[in-house]
Amino acid sequence: GEDVEQSLFLSVREGDSSVINCTYTDSSSTYLYWYKQEPGAGLQLLTYIFSNMDMKQDQRLTVLLNKKDKHLSLRIADTQTGDSAIYFCAEKPPGYSSASKIIFGSGTRLSIRP
Amino acid sequence: SQTIHQWPATLVQPVGSPLSLECTVEGTSNPNLYWYRQAAGRGLQLLFYSVGIGQISSEVPQNLSASRPQDRQFILSSKKLLLSDSGFYLCAWSVGTGGPSSYEQYFGPGTRLTVT
Repeated sequence: GEDVEQSLFLSVREGDSSVINCTYTDSSSTYLYWYKQEPGAGLQLLTYIFSNMDMKQDQRLTVLLNKKDKHLSLRIADTQTGDSAIYFCAEKPPGYSSASKIIFGSGTRLSIRP
Repeated sequence: SQTIHQWPATLVQPVGSPLSLECTVEGTSNPNLYWYRQAAGRGLQLLFYSVGIGQISSEVPQNLSASRPQDRQFILSSKKLLLSDSGFYLCAWSVGTGGPSSYEQYFGPGTRLTVT
C-alpha cells in the first residue's frame, strides 16, 4: 500500500546543516516532494524530484533520492531560525489520475537551537 | 498570479452544529481542488478531491461532505459536527490539465476548527 514515514522531531544548531529523512513504500512513485508548513499556515511546496533523478539542488536545499532503499532526504545547509517549521515528505503514486493525489507523511518538526 | 483563499481562518463550533468552510481560487481555470484535514500533531489526511464542477470524490467515510458549485469554489460541510472533527482544514489546488505540472499542489492558509 501507500505509506510515507518520517521522524516527528529534529533539533539542530543554528548554522549547522539539517537533514530530514523520509521513507516511502511505493517504489513506482513518479514524483516525490518536500513541503514546508510554518506555524498556523498552509503548506508551501519547497521542491520536488522526479523518480529518475538521484539528486536535486536548489540554493540551500539538497534533495537526495535512493530508489533502491525508497529513501528520500532533504538537506538544509546553514540552517537559520526562519527554517523552523514542519517539513512534509510526499509521494505521487503511479497511474493516471487527473486529480493527482499525493500521499503525505506525518511531517518532521524542525526546531533551531541558538 | 494564482491565489487561494479560505475562510473563516478560525472557527469554534459546538457539537451537533452545522459546518460550512469555503475555499476559492483565483487566476486559474479548471483546477483540481482538494480538502485535507490535519489533526493536532498528525500528518495530512485527504478528505475530498474534485476534478470539475459537481464532481466530488471522497477518500474517507465520515460525516463531512464537499461540494463544488462553481469552477473555482470548493465547500466543505457537515450537518452535525463531532468532537473528532476538530483540526486544521486545508484547501489546495493543482493544475487540472494533467502532466507534470498537475502534480504540484498549492495550499490555502487553512481554517482551524475547534468543536466544543
